Amino acid sequence: DAGITQSPRHKVTETGTPVTLRCHQTENHRYMYWYRQDPGHGLRLIHYSYGVKDTDKGEVSDGYSVSRSKTEDFLLTLESATSSQTSVYFCAISGGGAGLTRADTGELFFGEGSRLTVL
Amino acid sequence: GQQVMQIPQYQHVQEGEDFTTYCNSSTTLSNIQWYKQRPGGHPVFLIQLVKSGEVKKQKRLTFQFGEAKKNSSLHITATQTTDVGTYFCAGYDYKLSFGAGTTVTVRA
Repeated sequence: DAGITQSPRHKVTETGTPVTLRCHQTENHRYMYWYRQDPGHGLRLIHYSYGVKDTDKGEVSDGYSVSRSKTEDFLLTLESATSSQTSVYFCAISGGGAGLTRADTGELFFGEGSRLTVL
Repeated sequence: GQQVMQIPQYQHVQEGEDFTTYCNSSTTLSNIQWYKQRPGGHPVFLIQLVKSGEVKKQKRLTFQFGEAKKNSSLHITATQTTDVGTYFCAGYDYKLSFGAGTTVTVRA
């Protein structure tokens, strides 16, 4: 498996509190992604990064922010958690495919997931 | 915008039988990827298809990319209990969009 670790793996928090999830990679891959997985919706992209300090929004970015200060770390922050953000969050990395866009993906390697419950 | 639909959502299969899951895109795709997620696990890459009409096989799994590059299928022969899980397709247009997945259960 690719060297990706997510922390924390499980978290229970209350509505209105800030939450930060961390994704750490040892593969030196350029692209990093945060997805959320909910029943019936598959995997939906929250934010992605195509380099240090280079990030962009995905399809469900409202209520989330990200930061990437080092190649190996990609942080996802919920400034004020809501119950609708209860989900399983997956980080993914990619070395990039043959395309030419900033969001280009080759094969995605996923972390083991972080289960967040907002009460 | 780009949408990727998968059918069926659930597939209950008798061990030893074959089944097919389908992936359809609202737009023409540059490539399509397939992933498998075991219960409680994370998605794992299976394969990527790039060419129109491309067919690739991995043991009992056969993947096909449609001629118009708007659909794909995954066919599994002689289903085994190890095939249990959710299979996702992900179509790449200007972004990668995942289908909702087909969750497979197997009756022994």
